[in-house]
Amino acid sequence: GENVEQHPSTLSVQEGDSAVIKCTYSDSASNYFPWYKQELGKRPQLIIDIRSNVGEKKDQRIAVTLNKTAKHFSLHITETQPEDSAVYFCAAGKGTYKYIFGTGTRLKVLA
Amino acid sequence: NAGVMQNPRHLVRRRGQEARLRCSPMKGHSHVYWYRQLPEEGLKFMVYLQKENIIDESGMPKERFSAEFPKEGPSILRIQQVVRGDSAAYFCASSPDSKETQYFGPGTRLLVL
Repeated sequence: GENVEQHPSTLSVQEGDSAVIKCTYSDSASNYFPWYKQELGKRPQLIIDIRSNVGEKKDQRIAVTLNKTAKHFSLHITETQPEDSAVYFCAAGKGTYKYIFGTGTRLKVLA
Repeated sequence: NAGVMQNPRHLVRRRGQEARLRCSPMKGHSHVYWYRQLPEEGLKFMVYLQKENIIDESGMPKERFSAEFPKEGPSILRIQQVVRGDSAAYFCASSPDSKETQYFGPGTRLLVL
């Protein structure tokens, strides 16, 4: 069935360093890839998204890259700050409405 | 513009009772989605509704679970005869149409004793 694998499950970086989270999807018809940040006990919040007709998208310190051939996409956070600490989820959508989520990456930024 | 609202935020039920979870979408959004999140796991799609219609309920258990989105009022996820395994956070999301980004509510944390 449809599946999204996400790695790593936990990631610790020093403040100021970069963090990279990778996801692989199984359904080649997927065409929409959002990333959500979820702080403890709070709602998932969209931080960036990319559609399949684009290879890369950037928003300040956050960027997402998509490789449709390999069916993987990645989240890049540069100059990490303690407030970036959270769980990050990738998702893949087909016609967007039915998101398949990855299992999450717990990012810890060490001051 | 208020975001997606869910209530209650926390709900405790004993085994065999019913749980009713409510979701009010963002203003202007007519598409609602329900997800379940178990501890330390990702979100699992349950059901997608538009006003008065269930579009896709492929992720929802066939028994004990039902969802509705009436013409007036919030969307409701109903779980009958709850069991301990139903304990989870239930999130709803909304969008203006099916091709737009989904925005999540704060979730309802259900605990079944």
